Amino acid sequence: KAGVTQTPRYLIKTRGQQVTLSCSPISGHRSVSWYQQTPGQGLQFLFEYFSETQRNKGNFPGRFSGRQFSNSRSEMNVSTLELGDSALYLCASKNNGGPTYEQYFGPGTRLTVT
Amino acid sequence: AQSVTQLGSHVSVSEGALVLLRCNYSSSVPPYLFWYVQYPNQGLQLLLKYTSAATLVKGINGFEAEFKKSETSFHLTKPSAHMSDAAEYFCAVSGTNTGNQFYFGTGTSLTVIP
Repeated sequence: KAGVTQTPRYLIKTRGQQVTLSCSPISGHRSVSWYQQTPGQGLQFLFEYFSETQRNKGNFPGRFSGRQFSNSRSEMNVSTLELGDSALYLCASKNNGGPTYEQYFGPGTRLTVT
Repeated sequence: AQSVTQLGSHVSVSEGALVLLRCNYSSSVPPYLFWYVQYPNQGLQLLLKYTSAATLVKGINGFEAEFKKSETSFHLTKPSAHMSDAAEYFCAVSGTNTGNQFYFGTGTSLTVIP
C-alpha cells in the first residue's frame, strides 16, 4: 500500500500570499489530520476531517482552513501568510477514524514565508 | 483536557547504553498513548501504542514502554542504543472515544554517542 503523500514537499511564499497544501491518505483511510510543526512550538494540531466533515479543530486563526473530498484526499489553505506560518506541515491519516488506530504520517510540506 | 509532558528536550546516550525517554500524561478520561519517532526531513513513524491491553508494550526496533497509571507515565526504553536510534521522539495521548484527537508532546531529541 502506498503511504501518505503530500504535495508539494517544499514551498516558498511571500507574506500576504495564500497557499494550498495537498494530502492523499493511505487507501481506505477516511480520517485526515493536519499538524503544524515548528522548532519552538512542536507539533500543533490544526484540524481533522473524517468523511468530508471537520471533526476536530485546533486553536488556529481562521486564516487556516481545510477540506476533504469524497476520495478522502484533503487540502489545507492558509490565507494572508505571515512570517510565523513558516513551518513543516504534516498530514496524517487513520483507518476507520477510531482512537485505537494509529496515525500514519506523510513526509510533510516545508513552507517558508519570506 | 489532555496533554503530555516530555521531560528533557535533549537526551544523549552512549552506543550500547540504556535509552530512557520520559513521558507523563494528563487526562481526565482513560487514555490511549503512543510513541512516534521522526528522522530528519521525514514524517513521524509509530513506534508503539498502548490501548488498554497489556501495560508493557513492545514496539519496533527493540523499543518498549510501560503504562503506569499511578505515576501517569508512559516512558520509552530500549536496552541498548544503536547509532540509528538518533532521532526526535514524540509521545502522544488520545482519548478512547472515536473522534478524539491526538495531543503531542514537544519532543525529545536523542543523540547516540559512538
